[in-house]
Amino acid sequence: GAGVSQSPSNKVTEKGKDVELRCDPISGHTALYWYRQSLGQGLEFLIYFQGNSAPDKSGLPSDRFSAERTGGSVSTLTIQRTQQEDSAVYLCASSLYSGNSNQPQHFGDGTRLSIL
Amino acid sequence: AQKVTQAQTEISVVEKEDVTLDCVYETRDTTYYLFWYKQPPSGELVFLIRRNSFDEQNEISGRYSWNFQKSTSSFNFTITASQVVDSAVYFCALSHMNTGFQKLVFGTGTRLLVSP
Repeated sequence: GAGVSQSPSNKVTEKGKDVELRCDPISGHTALYWYRQSLGQGLEFLIYFQGNSAPDKSGLPSDRFSAERTGGSVSTLTIQRTQQEDSAVYLCASSLYSGNSNQPQHFGDGTRLSIL
Repeated sequence: AQKVTQAQTEISVVEKEDVTLDCVYETRDTTYYLFWYKQPPSGELVFLIRRNSFDEQNEISGRYSWNFQKSTSSFNFTITASQVVDSAVYFCALSHMNTGFQKLVFGTGTRLLVSP
C-alpha cells in the first residue's frame, strides 16, 4: 500500500478486556516497529520485528503485552486484561532494512486506545 | 543510555516569522542517527530528516534548515517564514547506527502554533 495502515483508528473498551491492534506496513518493508504515545510517557518504543522475528521486545511494559508478525507483513499487538494506564495512541512504523543501512521509519496514523 | 531533550514545550509565532526548535541529545555512541519528525493534528508522524553523526554539514530544504553541532550535542531545526500549515508538534529523535535497526528515542516534542 501507499503508507502504513493501522486499524482500528479508535478503540474504546472496558477495563479487563483483551484488545488487538493491527498494523499493515508499507509493501516491501521488512522492519516493523511498535511505539506507544501517552501523555505521561511521551513516545516509547515497544517492539521491533525483522521479518517475522522480534529481536528486541525490550519496550513491552508487561507480560500482558504481546505482538506477532506473520508472512513478514501484517503485525498484531495484543493487550490482555487491559488496564486504564494502557490508554494511549499506539503507533506502528515500518522501514527498509539493508544490512548496516538504517532507513527512515514511516509511521501510520495510530490507534487511539481508551480503557474505561 | 540515550536521551533527547526538547526544552521548548510550546512556541507561538505569527505567520512569516522565523522559528528555531531546539534539540539536545545524549549518547555514549560514537556513531548514531538524528531525526526530526512532524506530527500534525491528524496524528501521523511525518519524517522530515535523518542525519548521521559523521556529517555535520548543515542542510536546507526549502523553508526548513537543520544545524547539527556535535560539540554541543545539538540538532536544531529552523523554519523560515513560517506558515499556518507548519502548526504541529515536532519531535527530535536519536538512534543507534550499528545495531542494524533503528530503535528511536524521542524527545518530548515541541508544539508549534503559527497564527495568521
